[in-house]
Amino acid sequence: SAVISQKPSRDICQRGTSLTIQCQVDSQVTMMFWYRQQPGQSLTLIATANQGSEATYESGFVIDKFPISRPNLTFSTLTVSNMSPEDSSIYLCSVAEGASTDTQYFGPGTRLTVL
Amino acid sequence: DAKTTQPPSMDCAEGRAANLPCNHSTISGNEYVYWYRQIHSQGPQYIIHGLKNNETNEMASLIITEDRKSSTLILPHATLRDTAVYYCIVRGFTGGGNKLTFGTGTQLKVEL
Repeated sequence: SAVISQKPSRDICQRGTSLTIQCQVDSQVTMMFWYRQQPGQSLTLIATANQGSEATYESGFVIDKFPISRPNLTFSTLTVSNMSPEDSSIYLCSVAEGASTDTQYFGPGTRLTVL
Repeated sequence: DAKTTQPPSMDCAEGRAANLPCNHSTISGNEYVYWYRQIHSQGPQYIIHGLKNNETNEMASLIITEDRKSSTLILPHATLRDTAVYYCIVRGFTGGGNKLTFGTGTQLKVEL
């Protein structure tokens, strides 16, 4: 399976600021996804990062708040904009190596605390 | 995707088999059963998946009932490192594509 890294691993930010999280994969993958896990909760899909086009967002998530880039088949970024304490969560990227039916593998996550 | 029901928590003695149940009574014919686990806020780790036949790999075995309405993940010799939240996910490949919908999972605690 692909090796996935995320930067930063954790950060503490002030409200009103923005943070960009990077996801790097060691091989080309067809599909990349971003999830959020709020404290004590399960994972929720934010969006699918599409290479060369706009991301596809799930209900309740908007591009202005969570802009996503995917410039190539091995890299994606998620920005959490104009942060508030409610954005404190673990943000995870995941990848599927080939067809849409392939198994998803997850990165280690970015733990964000907003003060 | 079909909804799943799992017990919120289970305990298991180290060295014993851990049997984690999952109900998915509304599963449809083209939906797979996937299992992931998450060890204390790390990224979820893929364990195993299946459609209708039982499956086994180096980590676990997956037993799916004949009517496919429920399944059991078996960790044959649980260790302390298997303490984690285990998620059973039923996943189809129409409409939502590759989307994974996580429920609340089962917190497995392996003890000495």
